[in-house]
Amino acid sequence: DTEVTQTPKHLVMGMTNKKSLKCEQHMGHRAMYWYKQKAKKPPELMFVYSYEKLSINESVPSRFSPECPNSSLLNLHLHALQPEDSALYLCASSQVPGRGRGYGYTFGSGTRLTVV
Amino acid sequence: DAKTTQPPSMDCAEGRAANLPCNHSTISGNEYVYWYRQIHSQGPQYIIHGLKNNETNEMASLIITEDRKSSTLILPHATLRDTAVYYCIVRVDHNAGNMLTFGGGTRLMVKP
Repeated sequence: DTEVTQTPKHLVMGMTNKKSLKCEQHMGHRAMYWYKQKAKKPPELMFVYSYEKLSINESVPSRFSPECPNSSLLNLHLHALQPEDSALYLCASSQVPGRGRGYGYTFGSGTRLTVV
Repeated sequence: DAKTTQPPSMDCAEGRAANLPCNHSTISGNEYVYWYRQIHSQGPQYIIHGLKNNETNEMASLIITEDRKSSTLILPHATLRDTAVYYCIVRVDHNAGNMLTFGGGTRLMVKP
């Protein structure tokens, strides 16, 4: 299995709702990432998990709450979002870096989120 | 990680080679050059990466100049399905700060 699976593919939520995005991989990767992509812009890093521990938080507002329950799963919990948070949310995974080797990231197809 | 400069857009005729340039004049000795592409409304797809030597795989070839200040991604026989935004990224492989930072990319349009 060489895929990263994201669910749901589309999500519409109100500003008072609580929802979660899910990401799953079975490649044995121990680093997982959340990116946010607005229309016609490049992806922007939000969070990095390494060995199931949060290693990087790119100053993301607390209304976004990541969770890594095990080495295969990554969740993004959403609460009290704003319309400007509407975007494509991408999950990725990779080997943990080190040892001076290059490596690629595998991305999921994303969840297109609309906040109304 | 070093910054990269890419042309914002390029056209290529179907069946011809697409050569996508990238400048990374401030690259340091332990930084890798990566290429990803993103087809509309999909997640980015890893294409290839290299450190010093030229690299080739089933998707593309990567040519890195001897001084490593620029590189070219070559799609040998472009098809309509290669229409996408191509990102050139330079990064260090290290334990801390494990980040892949995307720049503006090149929007490649393959035309019939």
